[in-house]
Amino acid sequence: GENVEQHPSTLSVQEGDSAVIKCTYSDSASNYFPWYKQELGKGPQLIIDIRSNVGEKKDQRIAVTLNKTAKHFSLHITETQPEDSAVYFCAASPNAGNMLTFGGGTRLMVKP
Amino acid sequence: EPEVTQTPSHQVTQMGQEVILRCVPISNHLYFYWYRQILGQKVEFLVSFYNNEISEKSEIFDDQFSVERPDGSNFTLKIRSTKLEDSAMYFCASSLRAVLNTEAFFGQGTRLTVV
Repeated sequence: GENVEQHPSTLSVQEGDSAVIKCTYSDSASNYFPWYKQELGKGPQLIIDIRSNVGEKKDQRIAVTLNKTAKHFSLHITETQPEDSAVYFCAASPNAGNMLTFGGGTRLMVKP
Repeated sequence: EPEVTQTPSHQVTQMGQEVILRCVPISNHLYFYWYRQILGQKVEFLVSFYNNEISEKSEIFDDQFSVERPDGSNFTLKIRSTKLEDSAMYFCASSLRAVLNTEAFFGQGTRLTVV
């Protein structure tokens, strides 16, 4: 089955700096890669996703890149703000199924 | 904004007891899921449900687990005889179509503590 690894497990940045979180996956059949943000006491919330026919996607301060050959994808947050502080999860899903396999999560702390 | 709601937010149960975790998915969604997260571990897929039947399940989802959509609005996860290792945060999610095509919305979770 699919295995998703995520790094780093914790990340501390100064407000205004960029943050990068990286994930690798094992199943070449995976072709949908969402990123979720989880704030304390809440469920995961989708912030951006990318499909395998696209190499990069951007939404304001958030961007995701995908390298299918290397089987890795990354989340980039620019101009970080304290409200970006949360746990971020990457996930992967194969074409044939609709289950998500999650990475281990990254706790992002943005220091004002 | 529509949301997935789960009840209760926290459930404490004795080992061996049955528990039912409840979820109200977003009203026009057709696919429903349960995930769990043991403290300090990854979020793990349990089961997906579509058209009143299980469409996919993981190895975790053994005979002790069952799901039901009893009345067209609720989606429940039943654990027949709880074990200590069932202690986790359980998340319900729903999507309009298969997750590849649409966003899966997650509830806030139910923390299950088995003592």
